[in-house]
Amino acid sequence: DAGITQSPRHKVTETGTPVTLRCHQTENHRYMYWYRQDPGHGLRLIHYSYGVKDTDKGEVSDGYSVSRSKTEDFLLTLESATSSQTSVYFCAISDLGEETQYFGPGTRLLVL
Amino acid sequence: QKEVEQDPGPLSVPEGAIVSLNCTYSNSAFQYFMWYRQYSRKGPELLMYTYSSGNKEDGRFTAQVDKSSKYISLFIRDSQPSDSATYLCAMTERRDDKIIFGKGTRLHILP
Repeated sequence: DAGITQSPRHKVTETGTPVTLRCHQTENHRYMYWYRQDPGHGLRLIHYSYGVKDTDKGEVSDGYSVSRSKTEDFLLTLESATSSQTSVYFCAISDLGEETQYFGPGTRLLVL
Repeated sequence: QKEVEQDPGPLSVPEGAIVSLNCTYSNSAFQYFMWYRQYSRKGPELLMYTYSSGNKEDGRFTAQVDKSSKYISLFIRDSQPSDSATYLCAMTERRDDKIIFGKGTRLHILP
């Protein structure tokens, strides 16, 4: 998985609790992305980062925030988890001048 | 019309058959085209990458882009049960830009 790890790999939580997912890369790539993947919707971009402390919203950013204080780490936070945020979350990376992205193994999140 | 359309399948074919997977798109500015393979409970992995129109071959896999028709294809020759996966097409206008993904086609190769 191109030097990308995600933690936790599985999480069960309750509605209303905060949740933070971590993406860690060892490739020193500039860009990092968070996607969610749901049946019938495919991959949808939540947030992305184009450098340390530089982030921007994707198409489904409501209810999510991100932070990137180091090149290698990109955190996704659900401030108050809802059942609609039950999904599989993927982190991806790409480097400056690249057209392609490389994905992590995913985090399965269940919000009860 | 969605930017990228892909038949979700499932597509079931016997082992050894030639598989054809396709996507159509609406944005004529797309220049870079990719196919990702995703096994169950895994992350997508880059399978093929093509710039602009034309064909690209890698082993049993051939990627084809027809920009005039806004149509891309992935062909798998001598299909194997290990090819059973979901295949996602993806495309982007330029480097360092966001990638638009198709929803994926589930493929089953029957032994």
